[in-house]
Amino acid sequence: EDKVVQSPLSLVVHEGDTVTLNCSYEVTNFRSLLWYKQEKKAPTFLFMLTSSGIEKKSGRLSSILDKKELFSILNITATQTGDSAIYLCAVSVYDMRFGAGTRLTVKP
Amino acid sequence: EAQVTQNPRYLITVTGKKLTVTCSQNMNHEYMSWYRQDPGLGLRQIYYSMNVEVTDKGDVPEGYKVSRKEKRNFPLILESPSPNQTSLYFCASSNLTRLNYGYTFGSGTRLTVV
Repeated sequence: EDKVVQSPLSLVVHEGDTVTLNCSYEVTNFRSLLWYKQEKKAPTFLFMLTSSGIEKKSGRLSSILDKKELFSILNITATQTGDSAIYLCAVSVYDMRFGAGTRLTVKP
Repeated sequence: EAQVTQNPRYLITVTGKKLTVTCSQNMNHEYMSWYRQDPGLGLRQIYYSMNVEVTDKGDVPEGYKVSRKEKRNFPLILESPSPNQTSLYFCASSNLTRLNYGYTFGSGTRLTVV
């Protein structure tokens, strides 16, 4: 059975902190791993990762995939209150398998 | 604008009263899917469709029906809703050749069954 596990499930930090969100997976026919940010509405795309060791970066957010150890991390530096959201990890096998999400709260 | 449109956004209904949540996309996507999102459980797939008249069960299909008579529409039907179907529902779509790249999601439907 395909599994995608995110940790922690919930995290509270203060503005300016750096956070690391984790996603581990056990799937057959791995194709890609995606990170989404979900505020009040639909998930919005952040990154897609297919190759090990290549960091994807967008502003203060970055992500990397380790296909040998079967995990990915999402880093957010200098957090802001606008980063408060649920962060979802999804693995594309034939369709998409989602983790439970990490709820990040950034306090002023 | 390329989008997936779900209606309604919010719905409160009573146990046993049939309802339909509509989903429409304007991107000519072959693949469409329904998910429900519950706290601590993430998004779980209910049904998906690879193309017109082709539908299949996801992980949690019990109590739901779908149809795909046209490419753009993929309605979710609850014939006899029960309180355990209270959830946040998302419709999503994608090109079959770009499934690895993720989906376009609708804005969600928050359903409460009392």
